[in-house]
Amino acid sequence: GAGVSQSPRYKVAKRGQDVALRCDPISGHVSLFWYQQALGQGPEFLTYFQNEAQLDKSGLPSDRFFAERPEGSVSTLKIQRTQQEDSAVYLCASSQGGSGNTIYFGEGSWLTVV
Amino acid sequence: AQSVTQLDSQVPVFEEAPVELRCNYSSSVSVYLFWYVQYPNQGLQLLLKYLSGSTLVESINGFEAEFNKSQTSFHLRKPSVHISDTAEYFCAVRDDKIIFGKGTRLHILP
Repeated sequence: GAGVSQSPRYKVAKRGQDVALRCDPISGHVSLFWYQQALGQGPEFLTYFQNEAQLDKSGLPSDRFFAERPEGSVSTLKIQRTQQEDSAVYLCASSQGGSGNTIYFGEGSWLTVV
Repeated sequence: AQSVTQLDSQVPVFEEAPVELRCNYSSSVSVYLFWYVQYPNQGLQLLLKYLSGSTLVESINGFEAEFNKSQTSFHLRKPSVHISDTAEYFCAVRDDKIIFGKGTRLHILP
């Protein structure tokens, strides 16, 4: 597609519910990133894929967070047993391989846990 | 480890006045530096980037940033701001992943 697409755009979850957030990267982009942006804060790195390989998951805040990219394209970020502190915007981004390439961001999935 | 510091959380400035948004970084490897802008209720957009070559980089809407290796800085400047520049500005550094600063909110005063 023309840009990074994320769904759902908005999600309200009850505390304890599991949620799944989907990311469709730009076609042909090998690198895919997930970030968490709390209200009034900068984006915080969660995890990074190159093709289907998860190369860095150091930013995942707990074992309730899990990401996958099984075929090296679409990625899903899953949050189990959601808690109020998980409320944030979850940003997906993609880029071509190489550190000098621009990372393009989707508009985010806004998660509110009540 | 890489890190980015944006010293000012908010910067108020009068319309048509100049502005500088400060950014300092630390990185142990080759440095790729970026400024992203986030307009109200919108996603992150790349404003400009430094990869190599000329230390002064420019955006299409009048912003510029200068890479200063000795001061480990990448400050963003614009000689004359407009109301449409109201946004949150994020400085970032990249090795394999991109690391963002906490952002600077630019308030344009009429």
